[in-house]
Amino acid sequence: DTAVSQTPKYLVTQMGNDKSIKCEQNLGHDTMYWYKQDSKKFLKIMFSYNNKELIINETVPNRFSPKSPDKAHLNLHINSLELGDSAVYFCASSQSAGGWNEQFFGPGTRLTVL
Amino acid sequence: AQSVTQLGSHVSVSEGALVLLRCNYSSSVPPYLFWYVQYPNQGLQLLLKYTSAATLVKGINGFEAEFKKSETSFHLTKPSAHMSDAAEYFCAVRQSLEGAQKLVFGQGTRLTINP
Repeated sequence: DTAVSQTPKYLVTQMGNDKSIKCEQNLGHDTMYWYKQDSKKFLKIMFSYNNKELIINETVPNRFSPKSPDKAHLNLHINSLELGDSAVYFCASSQSAGGWNEQFFGPGTRLTVL
Repeated sequence: AQSVTQLGSHVSVSEGALVLLRCNYSSSVPPYLFWYVQYPNQGLQLLLKYTSAATLVKGINGFEAEFKKSETSFHLTKPSAHMSDAAEYFCAVRQSLEGAQKLVFGQGTRLTINP
């Protein structure tokens, strides 16, 4: 009965490959997020979707493409992976986009690009 | 734009001692502030939040934080550290963008507990 789940937990791949990370939440929330945590533990938002609609798109290379097939899922596809993409990627969800709503985080996906 | 700064990337205390993790914020509007904890190889868990109600906020695991507008601070404290408190702690401020909200995090503070 995990609230926010991500797969895979670990991902090791070569430069230039394309990979996807999946996220699912069973909380009935409308809003989902992707955050990136770099090697220095710095956390920064990448994207946010509300009811399958993109509402936040930070300055992220267009090699990163989020996709939300439904409110419960937000996947992250990364093309032409680079060494600098190595990080931990966290998915999160909140009840709605506005106001104050706690964001619930997934366990993270550690991506290593060789 | 809102931002937070955490003073000290690494804090070390003895078991049973006071824990004090510092966070200062910058905001042109009344801020919503949060403390999250990240245990090794895990996601983030909300410890407590300030949403313009009481200035002293109590959270889980015995932690509390006090919002001080005059000092633009939101420091996290716990009277007596426990070994299980060893983790990375993040202060965050909510930033609103045309109806959407995002969390802007500080750099994090690693808390080490010495036996």
